[in-house]
Formats: sequence, C-alpha cells, structure tokens
Amino acid sequence: QTVVTQDPSFSVSPGGTATLTCGLTSASVSSTHYPSWYQQTPGQTPRLLIYNTISRSSGVPGRFAGSLLGDRAALTITGALADDECDYYCALYMNNSFWVFGGGTKLTVL
Amino acid sequence: DVQVVESGGGLVKPGRSLRLSCAVSGFTFSDYNMNWVRQAPGKGLEWVASISTSGSFIHYADSVKGRFTISRDNAKKSLDLQMNNLRVEDTAVYYCARGSYVYAIKPPDYWGQGTLVTVSS
Repeated sequence: QTVVTQDPSFSVSPGGTATLTCGLTSASVSSTHYPSWYQQTPGQTPRLLIYNTISRSSGVPGRFAGSLLGDRAALTITGALADDECDYYCALYMNNSFWVFGGGTKLTVL
Repeated sequence: DVQVVESGGGLVKPGRSLRLSCAVSGFTFSDYNMNWVRQAPGKGLEWVASISTSGSFIHYADSVKGRFTISRDNAKKSLDLQMNNLRVEDTAVYYCARGSYVYAIKPPDYWGQGTLVTVSS
C-alpha cells in the first residue's frame, strides 16, 4: 500500500524560508499525481493553497509556491509570518482515481 | 458565493448506521465531482469517498469500502454518505468538499464546516 509521507514538523524563523516536502513510500512524486497543498489552522476548514503542482488558488499570496524537488513535491513559503504557523497537508492523485492525503506537517515559526 | 453545509452527524454505537447529508449552493452542482473527507480528533485528513458528476464513477478508501455508500441527487443539489456498521475508528469530523469540474483533475477546493460523528458505546 502506497503511503503519502510528510515530515511531522518543521521550524522556520520569522522572515525565513520553509520548504515542506511530500513523498511516496514506493514511487516518485510526479506531475501526474497533481500535487496539491492545504493549509489548516486550528479549528478551521482546510484551505487549498496549491494545486496541479504549481498553481495557486485564488487569493493565495505569491510567497507560497509549489514545485517538484527531486522525487518529491514541495511547498516553499518565503518570508514566513507568525500567521503561517499551522498544519500543512499535501494531497496526491492516485491511480487516476482518488486523492490521498499526507499525514501533515506542523509548521512552527519562531 | 459557494456554500457547502453538512448535516447528520451525532453519537452512535458501534455497529449502527448513520446517514450524512450535504447541501450546496453557489455553483452548478451537476458539473462537479464531490468528495467526503474526514478528520479524526487531533489527526490528519483522510479522503473517504468520491463520486463523479453523474454518479457513474465512485471510489472509496479501503478503510470504508463495503460499509459506506456515497450518493448524489443533482436535482436536489445534495450529496449523501450512508455509513453502516460503524466502528470506533470512524469517529471524526466529516467534511463534504467540492471536487473537480467534470473531467478536470483538481483536489477538493470548497469545504463545508464539517459534521462530527462519534462512534462510542
């Protein structure tokens, strides 16, 4: 069974750059997985940030960028703000049929 | 504005059934695939089921296959999730989420606020 992997936690200094990654246990992530990223603050509904690897959802600031990094998908946050401290989930489209979420990365800004 | 509103959650004993519903507005429901996604308390997101625009193509997570049934009524702009033989591990907030437009591929974008399902004896 293929699992979508994310680092459980990541720390970044205010104003710094955070690169969160998303992988697969038994394959490389590619554009055919349509990598997507969500942001979820405590008690709130997930917000779609990035879809189709690099496309930003409406209203998402340009300091959030998606990419492929080697065999993984990546979400890069530049100029990190205190408000960016929350959970980030990646989602991959599997078997051309359904979405699978990663376990999430808790981003700390300090 | 797009609105997605779930209902039907509650406390249920293991082995029992529950039916969730989702009402939408602000977009042409019949043009979009739809999804159910859940989140156990303090845990991550888990995709549960998806259904195509016409209802012809349906997919389930292995964890619910054979127990849950997703369905839609395009005339009523509603999405349902029939959950049978519920287990303690099905306890979660269940989100109804809009999927991609017809044949496009896009992850769930608009989500409801969720409805809490608690399975406990």
